[in-house]
Amino acid sequence: DIQMTQSPSSVSASVGDRVTITCRASQGIARWLAWYQQKPGKAPKLLIYAASNLQGGVPSRFSSSGSGTDFSLTISSLQPEDFATYYCQQANSFPYTFGQGTKLEIK
Amino acid sequence: QVQLQESGPGLVKPSQTLSLTCTVSGDSISSVNYYWSWIRQHPGKGLEWIGYIYYSGSTYSNPSLKSRLTISVDSSKNQFSLKLSSVTAADTAVYYCARAVAYCSGGSCYTGVWFDYWGQGTLVTVSS
Repeated sequence: DIQMTQSPSSVSASVGDRVTITCRASQGIARWLAWYQQKPGKAPKLLIYAASNLQGGVPSRFSSSGSGTDFSLTISSLQPEDFATYYCQQANSFPYTFGQGTKLEIK
Repeated sequence: QVQLQESGPGLVKPSQTLSLTCTVSGDSISSVNYYWSWIRQHPGKGLEWIGYIYYSGSTYSNPSLKSRLTISVDSSKNQFSLKLSSVTAADTAVYYCARAVAYCSGGSCYTGVWFDYWGQGTLVTVSS
C-alpha cells in the first residue's frame, strides 16, 4: 500500500494567516492526489483533485501544488470556517489511502 | 442535488455480520460516470477506504478487508450495500458511503478516483 504522511499533525494559526500543509507519498503518485476538509461530526468535503484543481464552490484562497511524492495545500488567508482537519488521499493505485490528517486549530 | 444516506444497525455483536445500505437520491446509481464507495473512520482516527462498486456489479476492495467484505448494488432501489463478516471491536467506526467521480485529462478518463459526495456517516459499534 502507498503510505501518505502529512505534516504537521496539527497547527495553530490565526484568522488571516497563511498556512501550508504538506503530504508525502511513499512512492510516486504523479498527480493522483486529492485534499479533503472535515469538520467535527461531519463527512469530509472534497477541496482539491488531481493535485491542483479546485472543486466547484471551494473558495480561491485554497490552492495546492505538487507531483510525484510531495504535495502541499495552502490556505492564503484563514477564515473562521477553515478551522478543521485536512486529509490528503492518493488515487494512483489500490487500495486508495489517506493521510493521517492535519488538524488546523485557532491560535 | 446529490444526496447519500447510510442506514443500518448501530450495534453489532462480535463475530456477526455488519450490514449497511446507502440510498442515493438526486442521481442514478446506474450512471456510467461513478463508482459507489464505502469509507470508514475509526473513532478519533483517519479515513480508510473500504471499497467500491460500479453499477454493473464490478467491485474493488481493500485487500485488508476483502476476505470479509461484500459490496452489492440494487439499481432498482438506487441503493448499494456493505456486508462485513466476522466483525471485532476493531471494526467499530463511522461508516460513510460516497460517490467516486471520474477524472478526465488528455483525452483519457479514469473512473472512481475522487469522492465528491458523501453521506453523513453512521457509527457502528461492535460490542456484546
